[in-house]
Amino acid sequence: DTAVSQTPKYLVTQMGNDKSIKCEQNLGHDTMYWYKQDSKKFLKIMFSYNNKELIINETVPNRFSPKSPDKAHLNLHINSLELGDSAVYFCASSQGVRGTDTQYFGPGTRLTVL
Amino acid sequence: QKEVEQNSGPLSVPEGAIASLNCTYSDRVSQSFFWYRQYSGKSPELIMSIYSNGDKEDGRFTAQLNKASQYVSLLIRDSQPSDSATYLCAVKGWGNFNKFYFGSGTKLNVKP
Repeated sequence: DTAVSQTPKYLVTQMGNDKSIKCEQNLGHDTMYWYKQDSKKFLKIMFSYNNKELIINETVPNRFSPKSPDKAHLNLHINSLELGDSAVYFCASSQGVRGTDTQYFGPGTRLTVL
Repeated sequence: QKEVEQNSGPLSVPEGAIASLNCTYSDRVSQSFFWYRQYSGKSPELIMSIYSNGDKEDGRFTAQLNKASQYVSLLIRDSQPSDSATYLCAVKGWGNFNKFYFGSGTKLNVKP
């Protein structure tokens, strides 16, 4: 049983295209996140939703737009893809917004922009 | 200045030895500290969390926290080749929901 799942696992696309990554969690959690991990393994938070409400919105280009249709889903849409967007994108979820709540990560989506 | 700093390694230890991984952080009001393990091509998985000064032990893993020195470490006793991975330190400050700051990780190689 997959706890946090993402699709697609790999995404190869041309510069300028628009693409979406989907995330679903079946843990019953109320908080979900998007992280970006670059080639140097640096993991940086992008967005977080709690009960479908945006609560963390880091300094991310507005080409990135998250959407949470319900507590179990958080999607990431990227417009006008650039070379620098190439990275692994991880979705995560936790129950609650306290710092003691464990975050569970999805398998990641490796995005390559050519 | 990075919020969380780790030596990128690689740190090489022989099988059976103690591996010591270190992490420093810049935000003095940080309250929660975590160690994640990430195998190559996989997602991070939580192995330890620590919230108060001192040591916390879980099996072969011991997390150590010193808030005065803004320092957190992870000791792995009786290191096994299966422990070879990148270890990410994560820090969360007071308030601001669950905004975790991750270090860039230390790559650990355990040689048989």
